[in-house]
Amino acid sequence: NAGVTQTPKFQVLKTGQSMTLQCAQDMNHNSMYWYRQDPGMGLRLIYYSASEGTTDKGEVPNGYNVSRLNKREFSLRLESAAPSQTSVYFCASCRGGLGTDTQYFGPGTRLTVL
Amino acid sequence: GEDVEQSLFLSVREGDSSVINCTYTDSSSTYLYWYKQEPGAGLQLLTYIFSNMDMKQDQRLTVLLNKKDKHLSLRIADTQTGDSAIYFCAEKNTGFQKLVFGTGTRLLVSP
Repeated sequence: NAGVTQTPKFQVLKTGQSMTLQCAQDMNHNSMYWYRQDPGMGLRLIYYSASEGTTDKGEVPNGYNVSRLNKREFSLRLESAAPSQTSVYFCASCRGGLGTDTQYFGPGTRLTVL
Repeated sequence: GEDVEQSLFLSVREGDSSVINCTYTDSSSTYLYWYKQEPGAGLQLLTYIFSNMDMKQDQRLTVLLNKKDKHLSLRIADTQTGDSAIYFCAEKNTGFQKLVFGTGTRLLVSP
């Protein structure tokens, strides 16, 4: 049982390049999330998918797009990377719905944009 | 809008108790969480408390909630060097599918 997996673990891009961060969960969760973590700013929500077939903007969606490919997979795309997108990106998933509903996190992708 | 705040840094000696504080603004919060992040890793849930509770204890962890002041704290008894990590509080509002995280408190435990 792998939980939440993310690829790649590390990536260096040049300004203007594009890339897709992959996330998959094997817990049959309905909801999935993309966060970015920057020093002193905690986790900020980029996009989320409450259920398969739906996506919604979070707090900082500009410069990103997402695809909920199926129930297991939720990808994050940077079309034209900028240095301000240098960050650690975390994917998370949860059962979805009311109640305590723990979010489970992947190990993160460390992205540097030069 | 929702806002969750924490102090950035706490340093304690091994064996002491640690208290990490958090304040939030959303009075509609129903669940409040504490997550732990070890170096180079994702976040792991430590514990949570429902908003109609004042206290929850789980082994070395004690969570206190003052709903009137919108203040949440996490006490770690007999702190160990392995407790060194970043601790995040987060809140969830009924009906919303997302959490709002604080900035995180870096706990450093020295021998």
